[in-house]
Amino acid sequence: DAGVIQSPRHEVTEMGQEVTLRCKLISGHNSLFWYRQTMMRGLELLIYFNNNVPIDDSGMPEDRFSAKMPNASFSTLKIQPSEPRDSAVYFCATLGPGGRDTQYFGPGTRLTVL
Amino acid sequence: AQSVTQLDSQVPVFEEAPVELRCNYSSSVSVYLFWYVQYPNQGLQLLLKYLSGSTLVKGINGFEAEFNKSQTSFHLRKPSVHISDTAEYFCAVSPGTASKLTFGTGTRLQVTL
Repeated sequence: DAGVIQSPRHEVTEMGQEVTLRCKLISGHNSLFWYRQTMMRGLELLIYFNNNVPIDDSGMPEDRFSAKMPNASFSTLKIQPSEPRDSAVYFCATLGPGGRDTQYFGPGTRLTVL
Repeated sequence: AQSVTQLDSQVPVFEEAPVELRCNYSSSVSVYLFWYVQYPNQGLQLLLKYLSGSTLVKGINGFEAEFNKSQTSFHLRKPSVHISDTAEYFCAVSPGTASKLTFGTGTRLQVTL
């Protein structure tokens, strides 16, 4: 499997604060996906990067959300200001090292906004 | 556009019994199909995938799935489940490239003694 590391694993913050989620790719292609998982909406693709360039950001909820991929193995997802409805598990994924036919997921960051 | 339907939100089953988790998809193009498993407080782990070739696909942990193009289905099966199979299972489809995965809503498999 492609190695995907996410930090922090858990984040609790107060409404209005800035939150930054991180994703590091240990192996795999330089494609990176950010997903959000909630009970109400299931798994949603937020943004997809290829070669550090955002290819599809149509899933980004609103201007409070921004994502960057400054190099081939690292990305950040920032929420500013955060709101309680942003509480969710955020996953990072990449395409497998054996080809571009499969996505492999990180362990996720559980975000709670009070 | 593509979509995935997992009709069963929860499937309770006794240990050592067989199980089938249903998945139907719609797509106007050829597809790749996937099953992922999510254990509590963990990320999604690939169980198996269909890209082409044999319609019966075997995955990890004794699971298998069969691609049925005429019925647009990709049901997941296991002949004898274990307590440790308790998890959420997601079916997903992509249009020939994994860069555009569409997930189903998930099926919660609850295995009891």
